[in-house]
Amino acid sequence: AQSVTQLGSHVSVSEGALVLLRCNYSSSVPPYLFWYVQYPNQGLQLLLKYTTGATLVKGINGFEAEFKKSETSFHLTKPSAHMSDAAEYFCAVMRNQGGKLIFGQGTELSVKP
Amino acid sequence: DAGVTQSPTHLIKTRGQHVTLRCSPISGHKSVSWYQQVLGQGPQFIFQYYEKEERGRGNFPDRFSARQFPNYSSELNVNALLLGDSALYLCASSDYRGRSGNTIYFGEGSWLTVV
Repeated sequence: AQSVTQLGSHVSVSEGALVLLRCNYSSSVPPYLFWYVQYPNQGLQLLLKYTTGATLVKGINGFEAEFKKSETSFHLTKPSAHMSDAAEYFCAVMRNQGGKLIFGQGTELSVKP
Repeated sequence: DAGVTQSPTHLIKTRGQHVTLRCSPISGHKSVSWYQQVLGQGPQFIFQYYEKEERGRGNFPDRFSARQFPNYSSELNVNALLLGDSALYLCASSDYRGRSGNTIYFGEGSWLTVV
């Protein structure tokens, strides 16, 4: 069965610092991988996705993630945090095209001035 | 273009009642899914519909049901509401076309409180 593990339910960084949110997945086949962001009292917004091809994926708002098959990881990074990045971030995996998303528990990102 | 739209945005129901939540997908999308997000957790898959047929079902009791209409909009129905059904219900639409497409877009959700 597929599963997603997000290390750290809460991450706090200073404004301008590197953001690193960790995601590991378990899957018997190479999956499709996603990162979503959720601002308070809102739905989920797609940040980026990996399907095939280049393993470094660039998304919106300066975020990027790298698919590492050998480490079964898909960590999300941003070189310089902004106050507006404070939100809940979810990593998700999909096994087949058009299939269901399996989400991690989420990581709350706080940005200190 | 309009994104995924859901209604109502907030509602309060009493235990034992029934609720219907509605969703309109992004224009051109034929796949609709429903997810339940309990406070402090990641969303959990409930149903997926594609071309008006159920394509997947999560680990939810039979009190949960859904359908998709010819215009690809969808309804989620929950009977005999329990306190534990209180959650944000998210609808998602996808550009899946049978053998391709896998970008899933979410609506703002319907907040259900059961008292």
